Amino acid sequence: DAKTTQPNSMESNEEEPVHLPCNHSTISGTDYIHWYRQLPSQGPEYVIHGLTSNVNNRMASLAIAEDRKSSTLILHRATLRDAAVYYCIPGDKIIFGKGTRLHILP
Amino acid sequence: DAGVIQSPRHEVTEMGQEVTLRCKPISGHNSLFWYRQTMMRGLELLIYFNNNVPIDDSGMPEDRFSAKMPNASFSTLKIQPSEPRDSAVYFCASSPQNTGELFFGEGSRLTVL
Repeated sequence: DAKTTQPNSMESNEEEPVHLPCNHSTISGTDYIHWYRQLPSQGPEYVIHGLTSNVNNRMASLAIAEDRKSSTLILHRATLRDAAVYYCIPGDKIIFGKGTRLHILP
Repeated sequence: DAGVIQSPRHEVTEMGQEVTLRCKPISGHNSLFWYRQTMMRGLELLIYFNNNVPIDDSGMPEDRFSAKMPNASFSTLKIQPSEPRDSAVYFCASSPQNTGELFFGEGSRLTVL
């Protein structure tokens, strides 16, 4: 499994964009990059995944570096409800690391 | 869709007792996963099944833990005998095969006294 590095925590203001970085320098060529989040007192929730190209869905965008050694999850307009722990997971097995705890300031 | 259904939502038991956690995956999903979450160790993958067959149980802590999937709509995680260190939230998740998109249940919070 590829090792990941994410900031322990981040803060952002409500209604502003948030960029959550992840380094996964040991990722293999065929590994997808998955992002999940866990809101307080809930189970994890799938956010987005991609392989090489940037991806968009209704929740977020995923920007993947050309060398695939890093990626950034983008929340375009954060709301208080986006406060959660965000996990970057490269590989075909969904193994959770420590993630980034995102705080949203009203 | 009802989503992944887990029961019980909360269980308090005494050390040495048998605990059985249950999971009903989303209909049509081919893969089922059991995770455990504690403050100290975070989210750990215990075991996962594809088409009712256990594929990887390397995360199961020890022989006290066992998991079964007798059919596509039901799975159990059993702990016998339970110990205080088994106290955790246990999550079940299911996914359409090979998509990487897991759908999690609300979890079963286990407290072993």
